[in-house]
Amino acid sequence: DIQMTQSPSSLSASVGDRVTITCRASQTISSYLNWYQQKSGKAPKLLIYAASSLQSGVPSRFSGTGSGTDFTLTISSLQPEDFATYYCQQSSSTLWTFGQGTKVQVK
Amino acid sequence: QVQLQESGPGLVKPSETLSLTCTVSGGSMNAYYWSWIRQPPGKGLEWIGNIYSSGSTNYNPSLKSEVTMSIDMSKTQFSLQLSSVTAADTAIYYCARRNGDGYKSNWFDPWGQGTLVTVSS
Repeated sequence: DIQMTQSPSSLSASVGDRVTITCRASQTISSYLNWYQQKSGKAPKLLIYAASSLQSGVPSRFSGTGSGTDFTLTISSLQPEDFATYYCQQSSSTLWTFGQGTKVQVK
Repeated sequence: QVQLQESGPGLVKPSETLSLTCTVSGGSMNAYYWSWIRQPPGKGLEWIGNIYSSGSTNYNPSLKSEVTMSIDMSKTQFSLQLSSVTAADTAIYYCARRNGDGYKSNWFDPWGQGTLVTVSS
């Protein structure tokens, strides 16, 4: 199985901050990496697919970079509605796996 | 736009079979893969498996012996059965549409709202 490790597991930030979340794969996955946002009590929502493509309707303050084993999700200026948990997910292998999540909390 | 809605019992007894249905509305099911994903309370996400509109399936190897998926295009529904459940199968179960290039670039969108299934006697 390909293990996905996110860091940090949680972070505290303020509105307007630049926030960066990292996802590392246990083996190379090219650009087969997606990012989701999950708010409390809600289903995950796709933000970024194929490492850097912004899903339609997602604000441009969200961006994704990386390839191989190391990936980054950046929120350029954190908004009140962005406090949530973020997950990465790989589809390189036949067993698709998620990271453990990064919770973005109010500072 | 496509919407998905899970339905099924919220409580299942240990050793019995969990059965859930996902109803798709607002779009065609044809030529898409449809997925089940679960999330134990307070924990992360686990992909369970996919079913194609033709009925072909692929499952998470860790669950393969217990999982069965089926699809009913006439009812615009697909279903999950998980046999011999234990307390470890207590989770929110989500259905989702798989998108992508059909090879390695795949992602889940949209998702249903999820349904909590508790395994308890």
